[in-house]
Amino acid sequence: EAGVTQFPSHSVIEKGQTVTLRCDPISGHDNLYWYRRVMGKEIKFLLHFVKESKQDESGMPNNRFLAERTGGTYSTLKVQPAELEDSGVYFCASSLWDRPSEAFFGQGTRLTVV
Amino acid sequence: TQLLEQSPQFLSIQEGENLTVYCNSSSVFSSLQWYRQEPGEGPVLLVTVVTGGEVKKLKRLTFQFGDARKDSSLHITAAQTGDTGLYLCAVTKGGRAGGGNKLTFGTGTQLKVEL
Repeated sequence: EAGVTQFPSHSVIEKGQTVTLRCDPISGHDNLYWYRRVMGKEIKFLLHFVKESKQDESGMPNNRFLAERTGGTYSTLKVQPAELEDSGVYFCASSLWDRPSEAFFGQGTRLTVV
Repeated sequence: TQLLEQSPQFLSIQEGENLTVYCNSSSVFSSLQWYRQEPGEGPVLLVTVVTGGEVKKLKRLTFQFGDARKDSSLHITAAQTGDTGLYLCAVTKGGRAGGGNKLTFGTGTQLKVEL
């Protein structure tokens, strides 16, 4: 069974450009989370989907970040326009609806804004 | 203010040595998790501890939850090069099915085991 997959694995963009990150959770996992680690800091929560609904988006830094999960399957995280401080590694995780504490993480997308 | 402080931040040891890393907080938690992350990969869940004083073993890894459920330790016996990685503790809110359950991670301990 495939794990959580994220695309791309790396992205280098210029300040002001737009980038879209994609996450494919494990099939059947209703919970989907986005996290981010910026350089030198701990991994921090961004938001949580249950199926296609945003359950908690309290960690989203600002309105330049937009997350979607159409149809409750894969999710995208768009950053527009990107700023230098958005650089970091973005992780996606998923879990079963009734086992929320057993989250499986993707390999992450390393975003560099120059 | 950091919710979960991990120590040491870095640890470099020889294969065969024992080590202990710590995760401390001033808050009380209903449960605590340990993850290991390798370069280019996401965190992988190792264990969840839920009861104060609980000890769980995973091969050469021993996890302990403090009696007051504010801290935890991870002890590795006879470390191997394959143990190299970033060890993270994390706590959650919620925990009910479909609930929030977002993870708050500690600062991490970067372990390097050399031959």
